[in-house]
Amino acid sequence: ELKVEQNPLFLSMQEGKNYTIYCNYSTTSDRLYWYRQDPGKSLESLFVLLSNGAVKQEGRLMASLDTKARLSTLHITAAVHDLSATYFCAVDDSGGGADGLTFGKGTHLIIQP
Amino acid sequence: KAGVTQTPRYLIKTRGQQVTLSCSPISGHRSVSWYQQTPGQGLQFLFEYFSETQRNKGNFPGRFSGRQFSNSRSEMNVSTLELGDSALYLCASSLDSPTYNEQFFGPGTRLTVL
Repeated sequence: ELKVEQNPLFLSMQEGKNYTIYCNYSTTSDRLYWYRQDPGKSLESLFVLLSNGAVKQEGRLMASLDTKARLSTLHITAAVHDLSATYFCAVDDSGGGADGLTFGKGTHLIIQP
Repeated sequence: KAGVTQTPRYLIKTRGQQVTLSCSPISGHRSVSWYQQTPGQGLQFLFEYFSETQRNKGNFPGRFSGRQFSNSRSEMNVSTLELGDSALYLCASSLDSPTYNEQFFGPGTRLTVL
């Protein structure tokens, strides 16, 4: 059974600081996705990482994928309040089964002024 | 380009009833996946449809079923509702297979079972 673990699950940080969210998974999949969810809202796609070594950046967010380590990171640079949300990583292992996307439990991020 | 739409947005039912949720994918998208989100279990995959066929299914009881129409619109049905079925049900569409293709999520249907 595919397991996806995110840490931390809760993060409170100050504006202007840098931080990294980690996503570990238990399969050899090379397909990993990051999503953002605001309270009461749906999921917004942030990054699609489809190969080992993939790195993508959008604004203050940068995501990377290391398939050998089965690890993805979401790095936040100089955080601003608008980035407060819950961030999910999800792994696609449909090649080995039929389970769609398997999500981590999410990282609830609060950025304080 | 219109996004994924889901109807209804909110629903209140009582135990034992059944419910049907609807999802219209982005135009041109042929794959529709359904997910259940609860505070306790998080986001869990229900099933995926492509060209009117269920291709993948998650670990949910048979009370949860779905279908897809020729225009790619999809419905999911939950029969004999239980309190634990209260959740946000999210639908996601992608161009073809959700593998290697970005999935776009709809706003969700919040189901409350009393």
